[in-house]
Amino acid sequence: DTGVSQDPRHKITKRGQNVTFRCDPISEHNRLYWYRQTLGQGPEFLTYFQNEAQLEKSRLLSDRFSAERPKGSFSTLEIQRTEQGDSAMYLCASSYRTGANNYGYTFGSGTRLTVV
Amino acid sequence: AQSVTQLGSHVSVSEGALVLLRCNYSSSVPPYLFWYVQYPNQGLQLLLKYTSAATLVKGINGFEAEFKKSETSFHLTKPSAHMSDAAEYFCAVSDRSGTASKLTFGTGTRLQVTL
Repeated sequence: DTGVSQDPRHKITKRGQNVTFRCDPISEHNRLYWYRQTLGQGPEFLTYFQNEAQLEKSRLLSDRFSAERPKGSFSTLEIQRTEQGDSAMYLCASSYRTGANNYGYTFGSGTRLTVV
Repeated sequence: AQSVTQLGSHVSVSEGALVLLRCNYSSSVPPYLFWYVQYPNQGLQLLLKYTSAATLVKGINGFEAEFKKSETSFHLTKPSAHMSDAAEYFCAVSDRSGTASKLTFGTGTRLQVTL
C-alpha cells in the first residue's frame, strides 16, 4: 500500500492557464476528498466523492474548478483560467466508508500550485 | 455547523518541556475530533482522534489529548518535547453524523522546540 499519491508535487503556471492535478487514493478506499490550504491557514474542504459520485461541493469551488472521479478510482481536479488567488496547496485524502463508520482517513502530500 | 479554534498560532518550548497545544470546538452535534501534524511541504499525518470512546486519547509519538465536553476543549499534550516535534499542528472536527466526514480545520499552531 503506497498511500495516497498526488501528482505533480509542484506546479507553476501563468495566470489564465488551465491546470489539472491527479490524486490516486488507497486502492480499497471508496471515498475521496479534495482540500485547499493557503499559506498560514488550515486546509479547507472543497469536495468529496463516494465511488464515482460527487456528493458535496463547497462554496469555495467556483465555476472555474471541476473535479472528476471516473470509475471511482483516481480523481482529477482542474482549475480553468487560473488566478493568483488560486495559489495554494491542494490536498487529496481518501477513506473507506461502510455503514456509519469511516476508516483510514489518509492525506496525500499535496500539490503546491503557484500562479504567476 | 462545526468549527475549531486553536489558541496561539506559535508555541515555543524547550526540549524536554511539556507541550500543550490548545483547541476549542463548536459543534451542534456530538463531534469527532482530530489532531494532525504537518511537516514543511508535506501532507497531514494523523496524531490521534476522539470518536466517543475514552475521553483520554493516546496517539503516536507520545502525544495525547483529552476531550472535555464541559469546556468544549480537546487540548493536545506531550510530557517531554523532542526536537523532531517541531512542526505545524492542526485540530479538526467532523460531524458525527458521518454523511460527509469532511473535516473542518483550525488555523494551526506552529510548534518550535529549542535546545
